[in-house]
Amino acid sequence: DARVTQTPRHKVTEMGQEVTMRCQPILGHNTVFWYRQTMMQGLELLAYFRNRAPLDDSGMPKDRFSAEMPDATLATLKIQPSEPRDSAVYFCASGLEGNEKLFFGSGTQLSVL
Amino acid sequence: SQQGEEDPQALSIQEGENATMNCSYKTSINNLQWYRQNSGRGLVHLILIRSNEREKHSGRLRVTLDTSKKSSSLLITASRAADTASYFCAPKAAGNKLTFGGGTRVLVKP
Repeated sequence: DARVTQTPRHKVTEMGQEVTMRCQPILGHNTVFWYRQTMMQGLELLAYFRNRAPLDDSGMPKDRFSAEMPDATLATLKIQPSEPRDSAVYFCASGLEGNEKLFFGSGTQLSVL
Repeated sequence: SQQGEEDPQALSIQEGENATMNCSYKTSINNLQWYRQNSGRGLVHLILIRSNEREKHSGRLRVTLDTSKKSSSLLITASRAADTASYFCAPKAAGNKLTFGGGTRVLVKP
């Protein structure tokens, strides 16, 4: 059963530390999205890629966040340095261009103390 | 980008009853999608309706789309406890971005 895999599932860290979240999209999918979910802001689109190229990262705080796709099977979202306000659930989703629906991973729950 | 607004924010019903939630959006779309999110999980795609369609069914789900009013509705018939979840609409214009509103939290009481 094809699925989007995110690691880690949970991460607790201290303010100022670097956090790296990883996502393995479904094999063959060529679009990847990063979302952040909080109670206050809901689901926010942070960045998305098509064929590994970043298309839009306007939703991402540029000074501390970075998103990359080193290869077609791995997408990363890094926060450096992390801050308590970054605490949220981060979701990765993948899709196939031309097929509109997205497949979501189970998320990384991040707590920055 | 396009973002839908779901209404109501929360809904509580008895098992067996129907649940209806609405979505409004602001600009022209190519399609509108509905997703479900169970507690602690990622979103799951439920159904997609294209801008030239008015109604679509999938099992116990019925979706309508009124492009003149820029609104859509999702009806869950004969609800079950397992339907307890948050439901999100995602109106989509041309291009790849998909954004979501705050969702409707549905509680189905046994």
